[in-house]
Amino acid sequence: GDSVTQMEGPVTLSEEAFLTINCTYTATGYPSLFWYVQYPGEGLQLLLKATKADDKGSNKGFEATYRKETTSFHLEKGSVQVSDSAVYFCALNSGGSNYKLTFGKGTLLTVNP
Amino acid sequence: GAVVSQHPSWVICKSGTSVKIECRSLDFQATTMFWYRQFPKQSLMLMATSNEGSKATYEQGVEKDKFLINHASLTLSTLTVTSAHPEDSSFYICSATPGGDTIYFGEGSWLTVV
Repeated sequence: GDSVTQMEGPVTLSEEAFLTINCTYTATGYPSLFWYVQYPGEGLQLLLKATKADDKGSNKGFEATYRKETTSFHLEKGSVQVSDSAVYFCALNSGGSNYKLTFGKGTLLTVNP
Repeated sequence: GAVVSQHPSWVICKSGTSVKIECRSLDFQATTMFWYRQFPKQSLMLMATSNEGSKATYEQGVEKDKFLINHASLTLSTLTVTSAHPEDSSFYICSATPGGDTIYFGEGSWLTVV
């Protein structure tokens, strides 16, 4: 079955540091890939997505590239801010219903001033 | 602001009792809502798909008689954990779609069964 493996947290960084959160997946067919973010007290929000190989999703300075050859979708940001502190979830949808997502465990990111 | 709201955010109940969690779409009508559960250090797992006006579709391994889902209107789905036990303690989160590719998630509800 489908699965998503993402980097164990928590991750603690200083402001302006470089961020990478690794995500690899196993899926049948050609899944769409997503990163969701959950800020404290809020619902999950779509951060970015990519729907086919070599696509790069980007939003709010975050980027992730759909790598079919390595089945990866690593999240990166060049310079994190305190406001980026949140839980980040990698997810995939391998077809059928557009809305049935398979999630990773989530990675808690804390950015210190 | 939030477009999908869950209530309550936190709930503690006694073992053997039932507890209801609500999921409301605030700005749109949702014919389909989804319920997920996350145990500590585990992934968010889809429990069931809630369809307005019809029975929910449960994922394999989820007890439908224990986790009752009612989607009585286009803006409200409820999840009732019946005869709750400590092992049901978890983070429950819903999502809803107004159509197309857009999905909105609620804030989640923490259930602790003592």
